[in-house]
Parts: sequence; C-alpha cells; structure tokens
Amino acid sequence: NAGVTQTPKFQVLKTGQSMTLQCAQDMNHEYMSWYRQDPGMGLRLIHYSVGAGITDQGEVPNGYNVSRSTTEDFPLRLLSAAPSQTSVYFCASSYSNRVRNTEAFFGQGTRLTVV
Amino acid sequence: AQKITQTQPGMFVQEKEAVTLDCTYDTSDPSYGLFWYKQPSSGEMIFLIYQGSYDQQNATEGRYSLNFQKARKSANLVISASQLGDSAMYFCAMREGPGGSYIPTFGRGTSLIVHP
Repeated sequence: NAGVTQTPKFQVLKTGQSMTLQCAQDMNHEYMSWYRQDPGMGLRLIHYSVGAGITDQGEVPNGYNVSRSTTEDFPLRLLSAAPSQTSVYFCASSYSNRVRNTEAFFGQGTRLTVV
Repeated sequence: AQKITQTQPGMFVQEKEAVTLDCTYDTSDPSYGLFWYKQPSSGEMIFLIYQGSYDQQNATEGRYSLNFQKARKSANLVISASQLGDSAMYFCAMREGPGGSYIPTFGRGTSLIVHP
C-alpha cells in the first residue's frame, strides 16, 4: 500500500518556467489538498478537492492551478514560477465517516527552488 | 483570523521530563477533529494523535496525550518522558465537518528541542 505518492522530491526552476507537481493516492480518499510550508508560517492551504471533478481555492491559491479528473490524482501546476514560490510543497489525502474526521495522510514533500 | 493558534515558536525540555505544547482553535462547527503531527528534520509529516469534538475522554497514544478543554477551545499536546528523538517541529491541526470543508487547517508549529 503506497499511500500518498508525491513527485518529484526536489526541483529547481528558473523564473517564468512552468511545471506540475504530481500527487497520487491509492486509498480511495475523497479529500485531497496541497499545502506549502515556509519557515514560521506552518502549512498553508493552496488548493483542495472534495471529490473527482470538484476543486476549490485555499488560503494562498495565486499562481497555482489544480484539477481532479480521477479520485487518485491531484496534480498542482505552477503556471509561471516566481522566486516567492520557493517552498516545500505537501500533498495530503483524507476521508471522513460518521464516526470521526480522520487524520490526513501526507506525501513525502517536494522541495522547490525558483531561481 | 487564524483557526489554529500555536503561541510557542520554540520549546526546550530536558530528557525524561514532560512537556506541554499549546494549541487553541476557533470553530463554530459542532463536529470537528483535532490532530497533532510531528515533523522531524527529515521533513515527513508523522501523525501522532487525534481528538474528536464529541469524544468524552482525552486521547492518549503511548507517551502522547491530548489535553482537550472544549470550553476553552484548547487541545494541548503532552509528551511524557521526553526522548532525544522527540526533537522536531510539532503542528496542531483541525478538520471541520460536515459544516466545514473537511480539509485540515494547520497552526504555525512549535519547534521542540530535547536536551540530554
């Protein structure tokens, strides 16, 4: 059981380049989300999805796009990379039932540097 | 407004002593879950403990316990008998639902250093 697989682990981009961070989960979770982690700021929500075909903006969505065509995949696209997008990115998935709001399962993270 | 507040940027504790990491939250949803995660220097997010808003008892998981005070909206993490390997960043998080989005919101974290 792979859980949440996030690729790549490291990436260096030049300003203005575009790229896609991949996230896939094999747990059939309905909820998926992308966060960025910056020193002293904790994890801030970029975009999230509550099911295939449904996405919404989080706290810091500017400069990023997402789509959710399948339950398993939730890629994050950087449209035109800027140095301010240098950060560590985490993808997470979770599900919910009537008993409890379960914990989120995280990918290993992507360390992105924009030069 | 911050939904999760962690007021301690850094904490120090002596090995084998107990330490409390503070977390307060803000929600009007009656159904929510509170979580703590550990992030060691290697960077992965490790789930530690969960507390549901309707749970009557405080959650415990080994050396971790969650001091849940619903009226005060606080969910402090207590680590008993600290070990050197407990040195890490600790994040408090909340999931709201069904009135909310079910997507976790995180605090800014507390850096814990355990001294030998």
